[in-house]
Amino acid sequence: AQSVAQPEDQVNVAEGNPLTVKCTYSVSGNPYLFWYVQYPNRGLQFLLKYITGDNLVKGSYGFEAEFNKSQTSFHLKKPSALVSDSALYFCAVRVTGTYKYIFGTGTRLKVLA
Amino acid sequence: DAGVTQSPTHLIKTRGQQVTLRCSPKSGHDTVSWYQQALGQGPQFIFQYYEEEERQRGNFPDRFSGHQFPNYSSELNVNALLLGDSALYLCASSYGTGGTEAFFGQGTRLTVV
Repeated sequence: AQSVAQPEDQVNVAEGNPLTVKCTYSVSGNPYLFWYVQYPNRGLQFLLKYITGDNLVKGSYGFEAEFNKSQTSFHLKKPSALVSDSALYFCAVRVTGTYKYIFGTGTRLKVLA
Repeated sequence: DAGVTQSPTHLIKTRGQQVTLRCSPKSGHDTVSWYQQALGQGPQFIFQYYEEEERQRGNFPDRFSGHQFPNYSSELNVNALLLGDSALYLCASSYGTGGTEAFFGQGTRLTVV
């Protein structure tokens, strides 16, 4: 079965410190990988994606993610966290040749002032 | 440029009733997908519409049906509502079948009582 795992329900980090939100996936076939952020009572907002090419991808608001094929991971990172980054983060995968996104269960990021 | 718009934003229905949710895709997008997000969970794929046809379906019963109109807007219909259908329903639009990201609406919060 194809799946996405976000092993941490919540990540706490102090403002100004680097942050990492973890994601691993299990799919058969080549994956397209995505990160989305969800603020309270809102839909999902696209942050970044990996399709092919350079394993380090940069996205919106200073976020970046590293694709690691051998570890089947796609961790989200930011060098310096802001209080306004506090939100719910979802990792998603779409297998090439299919149309649906498979989402993880989400990680709540709390940045402390 | 309006993004993905969904209506209504909130809805309360009684068990056994039927409901219709609506979605207008982002300008230039021709594909609409629907997702169900239960409280504390990641979004689950219901189905995707392209060229007015259902292109792929997730593991949802036939009580869930949809439609796409010539202007690419879409409806999600749910019959014989159950308490377990209470969730945030998200519409996502995209263009093409490559690695383009999907854009999500703000969702419709359905409560079944």
